[in-house]
Amino acid sequence: AQSVTQLGSHVSVSEGALVLLRCNYSSSVPPYLFWYVQYPNQGLQLLLKYTSAATLVKGINGFEAEFKKSETSFHLTKPSAHMSDAAEYFCAVSDLGGGADGLTFGKGTHLIIQP
Amino acid sequence: DAGVIQSPRHEVTEMGQEVTLRCKPISGHNSLFWYRQTMMRGLELLIYFNNNVPIDDSGMPEDRFSAKMPNASFSTLKIQPSEPRDSAVYFCASSLEPGTPQHFGDGTRLSIL
Repeated sequence: AQSVTQLGSHVSVSEGALVLLRCNYSSSVPPYLFWYVQYPNQGLQLLLKYTSAATLVKGINGFEAEFKKSETSFHLTKPSAHMSDAAEYFCAVSDLGGGADGLTFGKGTHLIIQP
Repeated sequence: DAGVIQSPRHEVTEMGQEVTLRCKPISGHNSLFWYRQTMMRGLELLIYFNNNVPIDDSGMPEDRFSAKMPNASFSTLKIQPSEPRDSAVYFCASSLEPGTPQHFGDGTRLSIL
């Protein structure tokens, strides 16, 4: 069975500072990994995805994530935080190899940007 | 392009009543998913369809929950009878095909009194 662990339910950074949101996964097969962002009262929007191509994945809004198989991690980073980045971020894994395609989500990390 | 459309956006009803949530996926997308989001359990996959056929419904919590996809452009999630613990935000998502990114609707916020 696959699972996702997001360390830190809340992360607070200053505007302009580095953003680092942590995600660790477990999967019995090579995973497909995703980061989604959710703004208040809205659905989830895809930030980026890893599908076994390049291990460093660039997404929208200046975010990127690096797949590290040895650490089973897929941490999300952004060099300089902006006030508009304040939102809930979800890491998710898809177990395509097992035939299932629904996403398994982490519990989410609420990103707070301090002015 | 129109995204995934869910209706209603908000639903408040009394326990015991039947609730029907609706979803229109993005045109041309062959996979459709229903998720539930609560504070306690986060985002959970309830069921998903591929080419209108239910593939995995192991996440459906009880027999009170049922989902249908009569055609490629419409799906429903029904709860009968509803209970207060069903209160949550229900999301529908669609993807072009298995393995491609899922696009989410804005959700239905359901409150069962």
